[in-house]
Amino acid sequence: DVKVTQSSRYLVKRTGEKVFLECVQDMDHENMFWYRQDPGLGLRLIYFSYDVKMKEKGDIPEGYSVSREKKERFSLILESASTNQTSMYLCASSSASSGTLAKNIQYFGAGTRLSVL
Amino acid sequence: AQSVTQPDIHITVSEGASLELRCNYSYGATPYLFWYVQSPGQGLQLLLKYFSGDTLVQGIKGFEAEFKRSQSSFNLRKPSVHWSDAAEYFCAVGPYGNKLVFGAGTILRVKS
Repeated sequence: DVKVTQSSRYLVKRTGEKVFLECVQDMDHENMFWYRQDPGLGLRLIYFSYDVKMKEKGDIPEGYSVSREKKERFSLILESASTNQTSMYLCASSSASSGTLAKNIQYFGAGTRLSVL
Repeated sequence: AQSVTQPDIHITVSEGASLELRCNYSYGATPYLFWYVQSPGQGLQLLLKYFSGDTLVQGIKGFEAEFKRSQSSFNLRKPSVHWSDAAEYFCAVGPYGNKLVFGAGTILRVKS
């Protein structure tokens, strides 16, 4: 079974703190994704990566950055957390077996619920 | 423009009753279509997908979905709902650029 592991299920941080959300996958997938999930808005793509040290902005990258130093690990960084970044964050990974990124099945972690106070 | 609409935010059905969850999209050609399910406290799990061919696709847990090009729809169905089906269901469509776009989700409640 594919396993995508997010290091924390729940996090509480203060406004202005630097926050790291970590994600590890064990299936040697090339592609990794960070989504934000909010009620009524579904999943919105923050950033994705199709290779080590490669990244691309998604639909809502403002206030976030990412790091992918190893193939299995993809980190989401909130440089200075704000209350409007309180949300559920989901990590996903997929293989690159199909030439089109959107065609590959994504496997999701259980999510990190972040509260910024 | 990319657009995926799940018109129903919440749906309540009785256990044993049939279920249909709606998904509509805007896309110029035949898109890639997915349904995912998120059980409480879990990540999303793929139920089924459609890329081409037979427009009725079967998935896991007894779910099926039908692609209707003329209606730009990909509705999810199950003939008899079980209490364990209570979850949030997401339709996803792509590629927009090279990405998937997810709908806002439909929360299914099953009453006994």
